[in-house]
Amino acid sequence: TQLLEQSPQFLSIQEGENLTVYCNSSSVFSSLQWYRQEPGEGPVLLVTVVTGGEVKKLKRLTFQFGDARKDSSLHITAAQPGDTGLYLCAGSNTGNQFYFGTGTSLTVIP
Amino acid sequence: AAGVIQSPRHLIKEKRETATLKCYPIPRHDTVYWYQQGPGQDPQFLISFYEKMQSDKGSIPDRFSAQQFSDYHSELNMSSLELGDSALYFCASSTRTGITEAFFGQGTRLTVV
Repeated sequence: TQLLEQSPQFLSIQEGENLTVYCNSSSVFSSLQWYRQEPGEGPVLLVTVVTGGEVKKLKRLTFQFGDARKDSSLHITAAQPGDTGLYLCAGSNTGNQFYFGTGTSLTVIP
Repeated sequence: AAGVIQSPRHLIKEKRETATLKCYPIPRHDTVYWYQQGPGQDPQFLISFYEKMQSDKGSIPDRFSAQQFSDYHSELNMSSLELGDSALYFCASSTRTGITEAFFGQGTRLTVV
């Protein structure tokens, strides 16, 4: 059973469009991370959110942590081909392990 | 800034052979995690160490073992390799001070033939 579910699993959009990726769980996490992964490379940390209701912006990316700290969303404005990749959310409580979401594969078509 | 270093980047082994993967965490990080990622899958947690002691165990096969050394680097030892062990193996490190967030290495691609 996957602790964190992401949706959609696959997303293909045109350059310039907006998109939102969701990360949902029935469990509460003390922190939640978003990563972007290129094929054959390690996940690169984009952001960490720790406070319920927190919103963080990273250029065209907006991350939100749910009030109950069970879910999160990633919104990309005006997507660019360079945004193409696998987006992973990961939650942690004790710091002994990070539970990864199912992943969202994003393709931005020029 | 220094990142997590993994070696080797690529490894080809035959069935039933042994492999050792190494991980050098970010300086001053006290926790190391090992993950296995198959094609098209999300990373699966294998094992973690905090201050050189095993802190959590996931879906690590009995054929695999790992340890964290006094200099905080970690090694994943894999014996009796099977074709199904072919995957990307990632190491990540973090610190328990402040917000715990994991930083990943570039991974080792293991191919068992």
